[in-house]
Amino acid sequence: GQNIDQPTEMTATEGAIVQINCTYQTSGFNGLFWYQQHAGEAPTFLSYNVLDGLEEKGRFSSFLSRSKGYSYLLLKELQMKDSASYLCAVKDSNYQLIWGAGTKLIIKP
Amino acid sequence: GAVVSQHPSWVICKSGTSVKIECRSLDFQATTMFWYRQFPKQSLMLMATSNEGSKATYEQGVEKDKFLINHASLTLSTLTVTSAHPEDSSFYICSASRPGSGANVLTFGAGSRLTVL
Repeated sequence: GQNIDQPTEMTATEGAIVQINCTYQTSGFNGLFWYQQHAGEAPTFLSYNVLDGLEEKGRFSSFLSRSKGYSYLLLKELQMKDSASYLCAVKDSNYQLIWGAGTKLIIKP
Repeated sequence: GAVVSQHPSWVICKSGTSVKIECRSLDFQATTMFWYRQFPKQSLMLMATSNEGSKATYEQGVEKDKFLINHASLTLSTLTVTSAHPEDSSFYICSASRPGSGANVLTFGAGSRLTVL
């Protein structure tokens, strides 16, 4: 079967750095996405990785290792507004998106 | 660009009634839209893929006669929950691929929270 694993919940301090990991086992790979979802709202796109390596976008970076079936989302200089769920999703060989259950990130002052 | 509008944002209905949710792409044409359902503290579950001018493709376990999808134009897809029951209470979200994004990044509507009494 296809599976995406992420930690259920993480806690970090305002101003700090946090890394949210995602491992996947899918039938084929055509890209990995990270989305942010605030409670009661729809997801918003953060990043996309299809090749190995690090993609940096402001305070957020996303890393991919296809050989390891692994990605992480790195958030720097954490702000209270970063409190949200972070969803990892992989596009499989049929270009179907497989979603992780999301990681709820709690930021403490 | 690439804005998806969803309406209503929340709705409360009585058991046995039907509810229609609209999803519009405001500044682009979407030949394909996706309907998701999300229960509290769970991930997004794809219900169906809506194709303009043709029948929707439903995921396994989703009743097509209960969740009617119509995609009559390039900017509008509707989801009708027929004979709603309390177990249908959920957060329903539509999405469409952002054109020219290369990776077919999904843009989501704001979601519709359905509560069936």
